[in-house]
Amino acid sequence: KAGVTQTPRYLIKTRGQQVTLSCSPISGHRSVSWYQQTPGQGLQFLFEYFSETQRNKGNFPGRFSGRQFSNSRSEMNVSTLELGDSALYLCASSREGADNEKLFFGSGTQLSVL
Amino acid sequence: DAKTTQPPSMDCAEGRAANLPCNHSTISGNEYVYWYRQIHSQGPQYIIHGLKNNETNEMASLIITEDRKSSTLILPHATLRDTAVYYCIVRVGPQSYNTDKLIFGTGTRLQVFP
Repeated sequence: KAGVTQTPRYLIKTRGQQVTLSCSPISGHRSVSWYQQTPGQGLQFLFEYFSETQRNKGNFPGRFSGRQFSNSRSEMNVSTLELGDSALYLCASSREGADNEKLFFGSGTQLSVL
Repeated sequence: DAKTTQPPSMDCAEGRAANLPCNHSTISGNEYVYWYRQIHSQGPQYIIHGLKNNETNEMASLIITEDRKSSTLILPHATLRDTAVYYCIVRVGPQSYNTDKLIFGTGTRLQVFP
């Protein structure tokens, strides 16, 4: 079974631009979560989608948004990029998003904002 | 804020058991203890989880104290490939969907040396 796939693997953008990252979950998984990882803040939860609906949201500004499609693939978008948005963005999937399920993570998208 | 406390770093000789401690003194009765690890530049990888009883799988053993306020992850025969950051996480129990409670904290950087 293929794992969680994130594209692109690396991305370089400049301040003020916007970016879209993609995540394909494991087949049969309907819950997709997004995390931001930086050296200073560690891994922080962004949001979770289930059945095309945002079910949980972390403490990030409105510039961070996402969506989920009917095939459970998810995208996240960051508008008006800031230098501080440079980070590894990780996507994780699970069957239902229940708390006794393990999450499967992708390898992430490394975003650099110049 | 993280609900767990872990030492920032540990060393272990190859072939020896690595014992990684975690304090979760405010854990609630329905919260599971999860362990993940992250090898440099990859997404976190699930290791093991438990509620009250000790657990063992092909990767590791999890020992949870009777009062559930602390736990220890044991890698019985550490190899160089086990060098990673290990995260201990507490999550709300089954039948709830609170992936926003997946708070990673800073983890323990385990260095396995030859």
